[in-house]
Amino acid sequence: AQSVTQLGSHVSVSEGALVLLRCNYSSSVPPYLFWYVQYPNQGLQLLLKYTTGATLVKGINGFEAEFKKSETSFHLTKPSAHMSDAAEYFCAVSAFRSSASKIIFGSGTRLSIRP
Amino acid sequence: DSGVTQTPKHLITATGQRVTLRCSPRSGDLSVYWYQQSLDQGLQFLIQYYNGEERAKGNILERFSAQQFPDLHSELNLSSLELGDSALYFCASSPPGILNTEAFFGQGTRLTVV
Repeated sequence: AQSVTQLGSHVSVSEGALVLLRCNYSSSVPPYLFWYVQYPNQGLQLLLKYTTGATLVKGINGFEAEFKKSETSFHLTKPSAHMSDAAEYFCAVSAFRSSASKIIFGSGTRLSIRP
Repeated sequence: DSGVTQTPKHLITATGQRVTLRCSPRSGDLSVYWYQQSLDQGLQFLIQYYNGEERAKGNILERFSAQQFPDLHSELNLSSLELGDSALYFCASSPPGILNTEAFFGQGTRLTVV
């Protein structure tokens, strides 16, 4: 079974500051991990994903995340926040290696950017 | 545009009624997933179909049912609707086999039960 915990339902940072959104996962099998972003009144868009290989994953819009097995974490970071980054961010886990998989989402973190 | 199409975008209906939400997956994708997003429950996995067969089930109420048709589009049927069923319903699809590493989401159907 898989589960995801996102620490902090709301994070606020100043424009230009570091963005850090925390995610811890639990999985009985080697996980696939994802970060999705949701802008108001829109669907979910994939930011980045970890499947296998390099543990530092780069995504769109300057975001990256590092898979740390020992810490069961997959935190999302961006060096310098932009106003357009304001959105809801979801961490997710799956065991996507079979056709009988499902993606389990965390509760989401709303990111606000202060001018 | 993810390539996943959901209709309708908005739906307003009364308690006790029945509605059908439709999803067309991306071309070539065999898996379809349904999620419910509400303020109090977050993003909840409902059900997954793969090439017409049910493959995984989540927190789906007995009043809800889904199916995937031979052309791979899917429908989510919600019956005996209650106020608490008001939510955003998302469909997602993913490709088969070794390409199956992520899901692509539609824009959602916003259901309002009054």
